Amino acid sequence: DIQMTQSPSSLSASVGDRVTITCRASQDISSFLNWYQQKPGKAPKVMIFAASRLQSGVPSRFSGSGSGTDFTLTISSLQPEDFATYYCQQSYDTPRTFGQGTKLEIK
Amino acid sequence: EVQLVESGGGLVQPGGSLRLSCAASGSTFRSYWMHWVRQVPGKGLVWVSRINSDGSSRSYADTVKGRFTISRDNAKNTLYMQMDSLRAEDTAVYYCTGEAMTYWYFDLWGRGTLVTVSS
Repeated sequence: DIQMTQSPSSLSASVGDRVTITCRASQDISSFLNWYQQKPGKAPKVMIFAASRLQSGVPSRFSGSGSGTDFTLTISSLQPEDFATYYCQQSYDTPRTFGQGTKLEIK
Repeated sequence: EVQLVESGGGLVQPGGSLRLSCAASGSTFRSYWMHWVRQVPGKGLVWVSRINSDGSSRSYADTVKGRFTISRDNAKNTLYMQMDSLRAEDTAVYYCTGEAMTYWYFDLWGRGTLVTVSS
């Protein structure tokens, strides 16, 4: 199985900050990497798919980059509604696997 | 736009069975690969099972293989998960999710249904 490792596990930041979350795959997954946002009590929501493609309706302050084994999710200027948990997920192979999550908290 | 609604969760004793359903609205259900993903409250997302668009191919996580069976009825726009020999460690919120076959990402999500395995 492909292991996905996110860092950091948690992050405190302020409104307006630029934040970056990283995700590393245990093998080359090309660009089959997706990012999800989850808020408490809600289902996850895709933000970025195929490593760098912005899902329709997602603000442009979100961006993704990377290929192969190393990927990043960047939020250019944090807004209050962005505080949530973020997960990376690979779709290169089955079983689909998720990173352990990064909880983004208000400083 | 397709919406997903899960049902069938609840409290069951260890060794018992449950059948989860996921009803999809909209006519494009059959164009999605469907998955079940679970989440212990306060913990991360864990993939459980997958079925392809016509139901001819299925995959399972090792933790549920031989105990869970995924199926779908495209005529009824419904996904199922038969869960047998349930264990305490199967306690979680179960989400059904649809994977877009372009770019392969979980595009659709239900709200989840809680399964609690306890005596």
